[in-house]
Amino acid sequence: GQQVMQIPQYQHVQEGEDFTTYCNSSTTLSNIQWYKQRPGGHPVFLIQLVKSGEVKKQKRLTFQFGEAKKNSSLHITATQTTDVGTYFCAGIDMRFGAGTRLTVKP
Amino acid sequence: DGGITQSPKYLFRKEGQNVTLSCEQNLNHDAMYWYRQDPGQGLRLIYYSQIVNDFQKGDIAEGYSVSREKKESFPLTVTSAQKNPTAFYLCASSIGSRGQEPQHFGDGTRLSIL
Repeated sequence: GQQVMQIPQYQHVQEGEDFTTYCNSSTTLSNIQWYKQRPGGHPVFLIQLVKSGEVKKQKRLTFQFGEAKKNSSLHITATQTTDVGTYFCAGIDMRFGAGTRLTVKP
Repeated sequence: DGGITQSPKYLFRKEGQNVTLSCEQNLNHDAMYWYRQDPGQGLRLIYYSQIVNDFQKGDIAEGYSVSREKKESFPLTVTSAQKNPTAFYLCASSIGSRGQEPQHFGDGTRLSIL
């Protein structure tokens, strides 16, 4: 099945710093979804990207879908402690990346 | 409120025992899924069902079984054949086809071996 690779595995930032996680696929994706899982919680849907080169924003979060639809990124501007958690991407067939665990130092 | 209910929250299994994890949704979603999450890992798909009375194996179906007799229910049985069952099990549902619609997750069941 399709493999979705996500990097980095961990990211520790100072509050106010930016954060980016990347998702790469070996095959072309029809769409990609992003989820956030708080420590001890369950994944919560953030967004879905469908179009090549698509960029969507949710407040401080910016999501991009690559032109070739093989990669995607999530960028958080000026992180806050509420951003702590693990961010997952999921490609077609709902195969999830391993996630990027974000910790934020106040 | 509509949502997904998983029970129990914690479950302990003895050697050689089968245990069943419950998942109920009142979102009127057609598709339902079971995932396994190991510490520090991503989600791995165990089984999914896109319609009542039909289900398909995911990537790690061995040692697990499911049924989908009702639209709102998708129980997962962890059989004694699953030698390493300790994990966090998440049930999810979506309106439409697999991967095309957002998934809504339950709060999960943590399974441990006694």
